[in-house]
Amino acid sequence: QSALTQPRSVSGSPGRSVTISCTGTGSIVGRYNYVSWYQQHPGKAPRLMIYDVSKRPSGVPDRFSGSESGNTASLTISGLQAEDEADYYCCSYAGTNTLKFGGGTKLTVL
Amino acid sequence: EVQLVQSGVEVKKPGESLKISCKGSGYNFATHWIGWVRQMPGKGLEWMGIIYPDDSDTTYSPSFQGQVTISVDKSINTAYLQWSGLKPSDTAMYYCARLGTSWPLDYWGQGTLVTVSS
Repeated sequence: QSALTQPRSVSGSPGRSVTISCTGTGSIVGRYNYVSWYQQHPGKAPRLMIYDVSKRPSGVPDRFSGSESGNTASLTISGLQAEDEADYYCCSYAGTNTLKFGGGTKLTVL
Repeated sequence: EVQLVQSGVEVKKPGESLKISCKGSGYNFATHWIGWVRQMPGKGLEWMGIIYPDDSDTTYSPSFQGQVTISVDKSINTAYLQWSGLKPSDTAMYYCARLGTSWPLDYWGQGTLVTVSS
């Protein structure tokens, strides 16, 4: 059974950078270049921030970037702002029309 | 403007049936997969399954296969998620989302809160 593992929490000071990792088992990260990242503020629906590993939808600040190395995808947020404090989820296509979410990471802006 | 509008809050008793909806607008509804995502209280996102409105091709997550039914009526641009016998463990927020090319969930509904309690 494939899985995506994220750290439960990360933190950073305003203006600094943080990176959230998403490590895949079962060869889903790295096999398909279909990793996406979602931001979710409390009580709100998730918002797509990154797709296809590193592409940004229109309207997403370029402070958000994605990358992948081996079986680990990463979301980097540079120039942290207070409004970036939220939960972040990675998601990967897992073959045969299935998707898999990571467990989510709580970002705290100190 | 792409929009997904979900049906409202539901409060049900164990064993009851339920069908919630997700109506799409602002795009060609028939040719974009729609996915359903569960979020239990205080927990993360769980992918439940997807449906292709044009031909109703459906794939379920193994965790939800047999537990729910995903359907669609493309004539009214609406996808559905239904249960035939709710359990308290079905208490959650349920989101629908459109899948873009290459599988990102690019537009989300506002969520439907389902509470199952005796």
